[in-house]
Amino acid sequence: QVQLHESGPGLVKPSGTLSLTCTVSGDSINSYYWSWIRLAPGKGLEWIAYISFSGTINYNPSLSNRATISRDTSKNQVSLNLTSVTAADAAIYYCARAGQIWSPFDLWGQGALVTVSS
Amino acid sequence: DIQMTQSPASLSASVGDSVTITCQANQDITNFLNWYQVTPGKAPKLLVYDKSNLETGVPSRFSGSGTGTHFTLTISSLHPEDLGTYYCQQYDRLPLTFGGGTKVDLK
Repeated sequence: QVQLHESGPGLVKPSGTLSLTCTVSGDSINSYYWSWIRLAPGKGLEWIAYISFSGTINYNPSLSNRATISRDTSKNQVSLNLTSVTAADAAIYYCARAGQIWSPFDLWGQGALVTVSS
Repeated sequence: DIQMTQSPASLSASVGDSVTITCQANQDITNFLNWYQVTPGKAPKLLVYDKSNLETGVPSRFSGSGTGTHFTLTISSLHPEDLGTYYCQQYDRLPLTFGGGTKVDLK
């Protein structure tokens, strides 16, 4: 059974960097596309970025070049860094899998709650 | 960006009721429309893909329809485990975008 587990600091200071890791078990990240998606309080879901099995990357321009997605195939992990965070970046951050970029997100993690506060 | 507008933002219904959620895109996305259920503390769940295809394991009381810019998700008979927030998502073009969500709770 394939599982995704997000982890990282639950509290980030304003202007700091948010760093999250998605650990995939039961399958290799060398297959599929892996995305980060967030859900902020009172808002809808927002797609942040994806990284493909071949290392192709695409970002949502709304993040103004603050996001970096990467992968560690030896650890079967996908990571997200988000710089210069503000209160608007407080959200539940989800890792999600898709068969290809033009496919639905068929598997999600339970999410990691991130709070931005000094 | 393709804007996805859902309505209503929230609804209250009784167990056994039929529930319909609509999603409108500001441009033609053909059939590239998915529906998800988000419940607090749980992993979001894919319900319907490509507008009308039921994901494996999803109960048949869920159905999706629509065309081009206007789509609907229907729950034919609401069960208690169907409570949560429902989101539509387009994957016709990048950036991938979601609707604002429809929160379903019990009346």
